[in-house]
Amino acid sequence: KAGVTQTPRYLIKTRGQQVTLSCSPISGHRSVSWYQQTPGQGLQFLFEYFSETQRNKGNFPGRFSGRQFSNSRSEMNVSTLELGDSALYLCASSLAGDRTNTGELFFGEGSRLTVL
Amino acid sequence: AQSVTQLDSQVPVFEEAPVELRCNYSSSVSVYLFWYVQYPNQGLQLLLKYLSGSTLVKGINGFEAEFNKSQTSFHLRKPSVHISDTAEYFCAVSLSGTYKYIFGTGTRLKVLA
Repeated sequence: KAGVTQTPRYLIKTRGQQVTLSCSPISGHRSVSWYQQTPGQGLQFLFEYFSETQRNKGNFPGRFSGRQFSNSRSEMNVSTLELGDSALYLCASSLAGDRTNTGELFFGEGSRLTVL
Repeated sequence: AQSVTQLDSQVPVFEEAPVELRCNYSSSVSVYLFWYVQYPNQGLQLLLKYLSGSTLVKGINGFEAEFNKSQTSFHLRKPSVHISDTAEYFCAVSLSGTYKYIFGTGTRLKVLA
């Protein structure tokens, strides 16, 4: 069974540009969440999608957005990039249903974004 | 507000020695507790989780953790570490009734030969 796939793995952008990151969850997983990982800050929750609906959102500015498609694949977009957006962006999928998610998050290897 | 605290940012330990990585959380509601491990250039993978029942939880690679409700802690332990355990370890909580996880800032375990 294929794991969570994130593309691209590495990318370099300049300030002011925008970026789109893609995540393909494990087959059958309908919940996809995104995290930003930076040294010393740990993982910061961005948002979570279930069946194309955003169920939860973290405390990030509106420049960070996401969406989920009918096949559960998800994308996140960051517009007007800032130097501080340099980070590892992790996607995770899970078997979360309509009720409380008590299960495991399955993470991809991440997309490492460098903003110059 | 809920929070997760991992007091030790780095823990050096000699091979075959025991180790404990500390995790404390703050929450006024029921939580589920997790430990994840991240090896260099990889995503996170689950070590173990506590949902309910026995407070001592055993995970993969010989790790275990104990849920202490009165001290709001979920410390991770291993009786004898190996070089291959060198990685970053994250404690996380999921609030009962939500789909949101809160992660600690991580503890970098360095196993020395």
